[in-house]
Amino acid sequence: GAGVSQTPSNKVTEKGKYVELRCDPISGHTALYWYRQSLGQGPEFLIYFQGTGAADDSGLPNDRFFAVRPEGSVSTLKIQRTERGDSAVYLCASSLRGLDTQYFGPGTRLTVL
Amino acid sequence: GENVEQHPSTLSVQEGDSAVIKCTYSDSASNYFPWYKQELGKRPQLIIDIRSNVGEKKDQRIAVTLNKTAKHFSLHITETQPEDSAVYFCAASLFNDYKLSFGAGTTVTVRA
Repeated sequence: GAGVSQTPSNKVTEKGKYVELRCDPISGHTALYWYRQSLGQGPEFLIYFQGTGAADDSGLPNDRFFAVRPEGSVSTLKIQRTERGDSAVYLCASSLRGLDTQYFGPGTRLTVL
Repeated sequence: GENVEQHPSTLSVQEGDSAVIKCTYSDSASNYFPWYKQELGKRPQLIIDIRSNVGEKKDQRIAVTLNKTAKHFSLHITETQPEDSAVYFCAASLFNDYKLSFGAGTTVTVRA
């Protein structure tokens, strides 16, 4: 079946702009995660959704970052007033339920100029 | 939170030889340890995982061992092939937690 998909694959923006990154999880997966991967590092947890609600947003670096999952499927990560330090690959993962194996999407490479 | 350290950062092996990557974790409450393989520009893919109720797990040429007392776990790849060249990440999660804490990765290069 189809895996986790993310759009866009690449996003280049200017400092101070607003961006939205989209994640389509595997069909039927109730749990969805966002991670951020900087160059040469492992992914770092940002936020976890169980269904429609954000069960844990402790990894969001500051209030410029926000994520939603209004219908319990697709999720959007929103970044306001982007900064150069936000440049990274943003990975989405989903699992059948929380605590199950996490399957990753291909990521969105965000570049803030 | 959980802190995972991974060594070595780079590993070069001759085709056919074995490769071993080691990770340590800080929180004794961690009970789930997956390993992901990430090829350049691609998504991380789960290759094997282990839970704290077992000490070793094998899947063909890949094995993972876990030492709960010492709080470390290792990935073993035998009979390495060129297609094993990639970055490998270990991760850990706490009991009843869902977020994964990742190591910094090991770049494995298999020389033909």
